[in-house]
Formats: sequence, structure tokens, C-alpha cells
Amino acid sequence: GIQVEQSPPDLILQEGANSTLRCNFSDSVNNLQWFHQNPWGQLINLFYIPSGTKQNGRLSATTVATERYSLLYISSSQTTDSGVYFCAVGNTPLVFGKGTRLSVIA
Amino acid sequence: DAGVTQSPTHLIKTRGQQVTLRCSPKSGHDTVSWYQQALGQGPQFIFQYYEEEERQRGNFPDRFSGHQFPNYSSELNVNALLLGDSALYLCASSSLGLAGSGANVLTFGAGSRLTVL
Repeated sequence: GIQVEQSPPDLILQEGANSTLRCNFSDSVNNLQWFHQNPWGQLINLFYIPSGTKQNGRLSATTVATERYSLLYISSSQTTDSGVYFCAVGNTPLVFGKGTRLSVIA
Repeated sequence: DAGVTQSPTHLIKTRGQQVTLRCSPKSGHDTVSWYQQALGQGPQFIFQYYEEEERQRGNFPDRFSGHQFPNYSSELNVNALLLGDSALYLCASSSLGLAGSGANVLTFGAGSRLTVL
């Protein structure tokens, strides 16, 4: 099956800093989603991005499908950005990486 | 527009018992997928239901079973609970009836946190 690797596993940032999260996957896919899981466990869909670049406020994502990786950029981080960020690829099933745990410190 | 709703939010069971978790999909969605998330791990796919049938299944034993009702809501049943079944159980909905990219986008509920003692 598809393998999904995320890096770094943990990240601590000062409020206002920028960060880049990476997702590598083992096979070509036509579905890639980024999620943010808040401390209460809710998974929030950030981007559906099988290829190309999208931006939503301080967040943006780029997927280079031919090279099997995706990047999530967080600019001017805020404490509310804390949580775990998951990359998930594939159709059925959607396969998740182990996530990047982000802590933003005021 | 209501999103995906799950119940109960928390529950505690003992080994050997049985549990039923419930999920109502987002309005307009016809497909329900269930995931298990152990502490510190990413969600793992259990199975997916569409048109009241199990469409695909992950690597979970037969103790895990499900059902989808005509109104698209779904239940996850786990029999003979083990300590290792303690986890957050997530329900996600989507719509296979949507053309193009819409069919692939999953919307998740807040989860049901199961503790087995």
C-alpha cells in the first residue's frame, strides 16, 4: 500500500515565525489532503491539493505529484495554529501519515 | 449546514464488552468511512460504507463491523473489546455521487473516544 512520511515529527515555534511541513508519499496519487487536528481531536480539512499550489490566508500548500511530495507553509504562526498536522493521500482508503506536532509559543 | 456528527463523544467499557458508535454524515453526503486513531498515531482506515454496503475494508478483525442506514447514517460495532481497542474513532463522510474532485474530499466528525479498562 501507499506509504506516507511526514517531517519533522515535532516542531516548536515562537509566535510570528514561519514554518514548512513536508509530506512524502510512495506512489502516484490523485488525492492529497492536509488536515489540522486540534487538541480536542477534531480533524479540520485545510487543503485538497493533489497537485499545484493553493493559499488560504496564512496557510498555503504545494504538491509536486511527479516528485511525490507536498509542502504545507504556515506564515506568521499564532498559538491557535498549535496541534497536529496530517497529510493524507489516496482514495479509498485515504492513508494518513503520522503527523507533525506543532507547538506555537507566545 | 450541519457537519458530521458522532455519538457518544466519550465512553468507557470493560474488556469483553461490546460497543456501538454512531455517525450522521454531512448533509448531501452519501458515503461514510470509519477510522481508528490510537494515541500519537495517524488515523487508520477501518471500512467504508456506500449504498448500505461495505465497500472497502482495512486490516481490522471481524470483531469490527458496521452498518449504513437508508438515511446514510452509520454505526460502528466492536465486539469482545480488548484493551488495545482504546482509541479515538473517527467518522468521515464524502459523496461518491459528486463528479471530479468532490468525491475524494473527506469531512471528519469530532470523534468518539473509547477507553477499554
